[in-house]
Amino acid sequence: DAGITQSPRHKVTETGTPVTLRCHQTENHRYMYWYRQDPGHGLRLIHYSYGVKDTDKGEVSDGYSVSRSKTEDFLLTLESATSSQTSVYFCASSDALAGYNEQFFGPGTRLTVL
Amino acid sequence: LAKTTQPISMDSYEGQEVNITCSHNNIATNDYITWYQQFPSQGPRFIIQGYKTKVTNEVASLFIPADRKSSTLSLPRVSLSDTAVYYCLVGTSGTYKYIFGTGTRLKVLA
Repeated sequence: DAGITQSPRHKVTETGTPVTLRCHQTENHRYMYWYRQDPGHGLRLIHYSYGVKDTDKGEVSDGYSVSRSKTEDFLLTLESATSSQTSVYFCASSDALAGYNEQFFGPGTRLTVL
Repeated sequence: LAKTTQPISMDSYEGQEVNITCSHNNIATNDYITWYQQFPSQGPRFIIQGYKTKVTNEVASLFIPADRKSSTLSLPRVSLSDTAVYYCLVGTSGTYKYIFGTGTRLKVLA
């Protein structure tokens, strides 16, 4: 399996505070993704990256920003967290764009916004 | 994007064959079908992928009829450790345009 880690694994924060989640992969994959997973919705793509400093929006990008300064790291930032952003967040990576190609997922970050 | 529909949950007994169907009526010519497995507190993991007819690997088989409007994931002789959520994904090669289904929660009973 691809070496992909996420930090923190759990976080509780308050409404209005900024939050940054980190994803780190050791497979030198070009593409990286951030998803959120909520009951009844499955996995929904927030943002993805197709290279260093190259990112684009996914299905549910409002309220989120991302940055990728190195191949191995992909950061997800909630500028001002809201209760609707309480979710489990998964990072993934792939060596080609994911419409067809296998994605390797991290273990997830459980975020609670009070 | 092809919208996907899966049963919400299924129960099975150990040793039985389990078939999980995903409907994707609007699948496009260039779309592929991929299935992922997710255990509690883990990220999803790739199981199998196909375009048409049948694909088999050491874990599962994937059946896709000629019209490709549905696909069936077949798990032979399930065990308790196959209890997981199974996601169908339909996506186009070379794009980020893909969509995960809402998943089927499979519970294997002893």
